[in-house]
Amino acid sequence: DTGVSQNPRHKITKRGQNVTFRCDPISEHNRLYWYRQTLGQGPEFLTYFQNEAQLEKSRLLSDRFSAERPKGSFSTLEIQRTEQGDSAMYLCASSFASYNEQFFGPGTRLTVL
Amino acid sequence: TQLLEQSPQFLSIQEGENLTVYCNSSSVFSSLQWYRQEPGEGPVLLVTVVTGGEVKKLKRLTFQFGDARKDSSLHITAAQPGDTGLYLCAGDSQGGSEKLVFGKGTKLTVNP
Repeated sequence: DTGVSQNPRHKITKRGQNVTFRCDPISEHNRLYWYRQTLGQGPEFLTYFQNEAQLEKSRLLSDRFSAERPKGSFSTLEIQRTEQGDSAMYLCASSFASYNEQFFGPGTRLTVL
Repeated sequence: TQLLEQSPQFLSIQEGENLTVYCNSSSVFSSLQWYRQEPGEGPVLLVTVVTGGEVKKLKRLTFQFGDARKDSSLHITAAQPGDTGLYLCAGDSQGGSEKLVFGKGTKLTVNP
């Protein structure tokens, strides 16, 4: 068990560009979550999947954001037409469905110039 | 909207001192989790408390869940520089959602 992994760890992009992040959850976990954390704040929920089904999306997740988990294993989070306000740490977590202890990956730090 | 208030926001102490940080809400949570986060890294799960009044110990760390399941505390005995970090509490939200609601955290610095 290598824990939750996220790639890339850091991403610097120019405003208006598209970016995609990847999350590989703990292998036995069927739930996968995305959170966003800005400086001085706790993580804020964006969306979650159970297996390949996206079951909940936050109002924070604008139309420019899309997440997928095509085979119920890894997930991708894409941000289109990035804005400076998208600069944040993007965190992925996973858990078993029956027990809501969420284990987090190291995060992807996004900087939009 | 469920909110978790953590206090103090910042805490700087000397090695060997004891400390307590708090996590309070007006909402009831079925479980509450404590995490520690270091700069540039994701939160690391320390403990989950589920039962009102529950006390859990993890070496020098003692976690307590309030009887009404609205608040929690973390007590550290004889703090060490390795305890430095951001301590976050998170509760599972109500209404069938599986998301966690986080406080803003307590930033602890333990000076040698």
